[in-house]
Amino acid sequence: GQQVMQIPQYQHVQEGEDFTTYCNSSTTLSNIQWYKQRPGGHPVFLIQLVKSGEVKKQKRLTFQFGEAKKNSSLHITATQTTDVGTYFCAVPYNNNDMRFGAGTRLTVKP
Amino acid sequence: GAGVSQSPRYKVAKRGQDVALRCDPISGHVSLFWYQQALGQGPEFLTYFQNEAQLDKSGLPSDRFFAERPEGSVSTLKIQRTQQEDSAVYLCASSLVVSGGGNTQYFGPGTRLTVL
Repeated sequence: GQQVMQIPQYQHVQEGEDFTTYCNSSTTLSNIQWYKQRPGGHPVFLIQLVKSGEVKKQKRLTFQFGEAKKNSSLHITATQTTDVGTYFCAVPYNNNDMRFGAGTRLTVKP
Repeated sequence: GAGVSQSPRYKVAKRGQDVALRCDPISGHVSLFWYQQALGQGPEFLTYFQNEAQLDKSGLPSDRFFAERPEGSVSTLKIQRTQQEDSAVYLCASSLVVSGGGNTQYFGPGTRLTVL
């Protein structure tokens, strides 16, 4: 099973609205990664967060790592149809591999 | 440069057949991962290789699943006596550095397996 909880499972927004997905772990994380998977595609790496309270921005995307390093969020400002897809967080496991959340599927109505 | 490639892209098998899925990682990448992704779910870890060594196979669902990477580059995931519940997309990912945790994974396009 998954090592991390991700919510919501689905999110449908009107183009131009904001979107946020959350990832929560019961244990302290050394780092967290975010991936995007377009419909019919494969996961593509977006970013990695390492430091407590870290905030990183990529254009309209803002990634945050919680102070306790147990949760993270991805926020998209003013969504566009190109943002459609499933957003996954991934956390380290056994120092060798990653465990993925179940993902948040974003649909955008033009 | 070339990314991770997988073949075949689609595979239809009759229940009970054996299948072999191939992954060509990015050249020079030490770490290689196999994941199983069911429809609407996140990638589920199957197994991990560091060069030719299979360091973690805890995610393989049964002894019908077998993976190898004999020369530390190309990897093959074999499923024996396929069952309908094996139907999924099988994703391969590679990573440059030794420790897979916390390093960027580059995914291939996946192989969609359908077992009838």
